[in-house]
Amino acid sequence: GENVEQHPSTLSVQEGDSAVIKCTYSDSASNYFPWYKQELGKGPQLIIDIRSNVGEKKDQRIAVTLNKTAKHFSLHITETQPEDSAVYFCAASAGGGADGLTFGKGTHLIIQP
Amino acid sequence: DGGITQSPKYLFRKEGQNVTLSCEQNLNHDAMYWYRQDPGQGLRLIYYSQIVNDFQKGDIAEGYSVSREKKESFPLTVTSAQKNPTAFYLCASSQQPTNTGELFFGEGSRLTVL
Repeated sequence: GENVEQHPSTLSVQEGDSAVIKCTYSDSASNYFPWYKQELGKGPQLIIDIRSNVGEKKDQRIAVTLNKTAKHFSLHITETQPEDSAVYFCAASAGGGADGLTFGKGTHLIIQP
Repeated sequence: DGGITQSPKYLFRKEGQNVTLSCEQNLNHDAMYWYRQDPGQGLRLIYYSQIVNDFQKGDIAEGYSVSREKKESFPLTVTSAQKNPTAFYLCASSQQPTNTGELFFGEGSRLTVL
């Protein structure tokens, strides 16, 4: 089955700086890579996703890059703000997400004022 | 408002008792999922259902059971056979067939076994 590794487990950055979270996956058949944000005591929410036919996708301050050859993808957050503090999960799926996602272990992002 | 409702939010049970966690959605989604979340472990798939009256085991199904008698409902029973039931349980749904793959999560149920 699919295995997703996520690093770092904790990331602390100064407000206004950029944050980068990296994930690797094992199943070359995986073709859908979403990122979820989880605030304390709540369920995760999708913030951005990318499919294997695209190398990069951007939405305002967040972007995701995908390197299919190396089987890794990354989340980039620029101009970080206090409300970006949360736990972020990467995930991968070979079925376009329909059969359930395999998640990384999460990154706790802390934005220092 | 459309969404997923999980209940109860907090649940305490004695060891050896079965407990059932409720998950209801009014998004008209075909697919529903149960994930377990432990500190530092991410989310692990317990069971999923792509259509009414059908469901499949996920990666950690042992000690759990589900039913899908109605499109809106996907309850999870944590049985006494589950060795480590204390965890945060998340229910999710997605449109099927999907062109986004987005999972919509409920707010979770925290189960503590004493």
